[in-house]
Amino acid sequence: GQNIDQPTEMTATEGAIVQINCTYQTSGFNGLFWYQQHAGEAPTFLSYNVLDGLEEKGRFSSFLSRSKGYSYLLLKELQMKDSASYLCAVPSTSGTYKYIFGTGTRLKVLA
Amino acid sequence: SQTIHQWPATLVQPVGSPLSLECTVEGTSNPNLYWYRQAAGRGLQLLFYSVGIGQISSEVPQNLSASRPQDRQFILSSKKLLLSDSGFYLCAWSVGIGGSPDTQYFGPGTRLTVL
Repeated sequence: GQNIDQPTEMTATEGAIVQINCTYQTSGFNGLFWYQQHAGEAPTFLSYNVLDGLEEKGRFSSFLSRSKGYSYLLLKELQMKDSASYLCAVPSTSGTYKYIFGTGTRLKVLA
Repeated sequence: SQTIHQWPATLVQPVGSPLSLECTVEGTSNPNLYWYRQAAGRGLQLLFYSVGIGQISSEVPQNLSASRPQDRQFILSSKKLLLSDSGFYLCAWSVGIGGSPDTQYFGPGTRLTVL
């Protein structure tokens, strides 16, 4: 089967750096997505990793280790607007174009 | 550019009443289309997805159904709503074949409350 684990909630201070972890179990791997979801809004795409290593996009970076079934999202220079839930997702092994989402990590940025 | 629309934005319905939520996508052809439900404080639960007109894959047995009458239109329906149908319903699209990565783009969502 497939499973995704993320911490439920994290708190950090404005200007700081925070790392949000995601571990997954899957029999086949075909990439991992990160989405950001502000309260009451739809998720929006942040990043995609299919190879090991770090992908940097401005203040946000995403890391993948396929051998460890592990990814993290790194947010630098935190801003209040970064308060949101962060969801990781992997393609399902039970059907093409299906995706399994984690329950998300709710990040609170404090002033 | 592509845009995705969902309506209505909010809906309050009594138990046992019917439901129809609509989703349309503009600016792309033959997209994959998805319906998700997100209960309060929970993750995204895939309900249905479609890779073409008239083709629907159902993920969770329940009193909901989906239809895709046109290439860029996806409809979620129910004949009789249950209290447990309350939640945030999200429609999404992706490129599907040829999309790498196959990123999903979500509509604004419909918040459904069943009383």
